[in-house]
Amino acid sequence: NAGVTQTPKFQVLKTGQSMTLQCAQDMNHEYMSWYRQDPGMGLRLIHYSVGAGITDQGEVPNGYNVSRSTTEDFPLRLLSAAPSQTSVYFCASSYGGRADLNYGYTFGSGTRLTVV
Amino acid sequence: AQTVTQSQPEMSVQEAETVTLSCTYDTSENNYYLFWYKQPPSRQMILVIRQEAYKQQNATENRFSVNFQKAAKSFSLKISDSQLGDTAMYFCAFRGSTLGRLYFGRGTQLTVWP
Repeated sequence: NAGVTQTPKFQVLKTGQSMTLQCAQDMNHEYMSWYRQDPGMGLRLIHYSVGAGITDQGEVPNGYNVSRSTTEDFPLRLLSAAPSQTSVYFCASSYGGRADLNYGYTFGSGTRLTVV
Repeated sequence: AQTVTQSQPEMSVQEAETVTLSCTYDTSENNYYLFWYKQPPSRQMILVIRQEAYKQQNATENRFSVNFQKAAKSFSLKISDSQLGDTAMYFCAFRGSTLGRLYFGRGTQLTVWP
């Protein structure tokens, strides 16, 4: 099925470990983004990309890196995990432009990350 | 920067009744898009309804409709004939001219009871 695929769905890390959350979409969407969801905080933007090779920071970028070498993939890297990064992470994608109005953003099913 | 405010952390409604969820936003832009997303316990984000700021007419999707007041920067969601399956967290979201960015409110947890 077409959509946004996130892996893994659950992950437990120890403080200081690094890992990469994977995100892939097969809809030829230009825009991709990463959000974190914390209780009572809604979804906050970490990093986003408007096309292959182009990324920018969102509201809460510290401790995270991204790259976008292809249109389909947008991995999120945690360099040195901290307990404050315990959260649910969502990847989202969209066509961009006016199509965002018609189709909205497509979200992955999320990754629940716990840092101990 | 854009901000989105949902002032009701929790709401409840009886099945078949009508409920309205509030959302206000702050922006200096003139054209933008507004969305309501639903997040059931499965955690999946589901688009409920969308509105373009240029359009005066309020959007409707079956039992869901919005009251868009551009001057007041208000975008409330009305759910008619509430069903148990409407129980979810609802997020209001704003997309302005900054490409790729979507701004969310903190969400309203809606519970529909029998």
